[in-house]
Amino acid sequence: AQSVAQPEDQVNVAEGNPLTVKCTYSVSGNPYLFWYVQYPNRGLQFLLKYITGDNLVKGSYGFEAEFNKSQTSFHLKKPSALVSDSALYFCAVRVLYNTDKLIFGTGTRLQVFP
Amino acid sequence: DTAVSQTPKYLVTQMGNDKSIKCEQNLGHDTMYWYKQDSKKFLKIMFSYNNKELIINETVPNRFSPKSPDKAHLNLHINSLELGDSAVYFCASSQDSRVHNEQFFGPGTRLTVL
Repeated sequence: AQSVAQPEDQVNVAEGNPLTVKCTYSVSGNPYLFWYVQYPNRGLQFLLKYITGDNLVKGSYGFEAEFNKSQTSFHLKKPSALVSDSALYFCAVRVLYNTDKLIFGTGTRLQVFP
Repeated sequence: DTAVSQTPKYLVTQMGNDKSIKCEQNLGHDTMYWYKQDSKKFLKIMFSYNNKELIINETVPNRFSPKSPDKAHLNLHINSLELGDSAVYFCASSQDSRVHNEQFFGPGTRLTVL
């Protein structure tokens, strides 16, 4: 089955420290992977995507993600967290087999403490 | 300069009523979507339209009927509302349905069924 997993419900990190939000995927064929962020009472905002090419993808607000085919992972990272990064983060995979849709993970709440 | 807009932002109604949520995008995109986000923040696609034609229809009760009068609008009509329909509904759009295109989300409509 095509799926994406976010194993952590919440990640806590101190401001200025590096952060990682984990995502693993399971798809047939090539994965097309996305990260979105949702601030309270807002819609989702696109952060970055991996379609093909370099395994390290850079996105908005200083975020980046590393595509690792052997580990089927696409972890979101940032070298230095800000309090304003506190939000809900969703990993998603584009599924093409049998249908064309975006499947979202269950979300990870990132809390950055001052 | 709103990219994807939805109305209303909040909708409170009684069980059994019929209601509609409107969505408009001014990005010139060809593809539009409806998602449902439940109380646990789980996000799932409901429908997708490309140039006014339905391309994805998940296992959604037929009480839900999307309508696309033109490619800039995708409205969602819900008949005989049930308690379980309470959720936040997000509209989204993408340039077209190709795999590499990210989706742009509206601010959401919080539906509460009493």
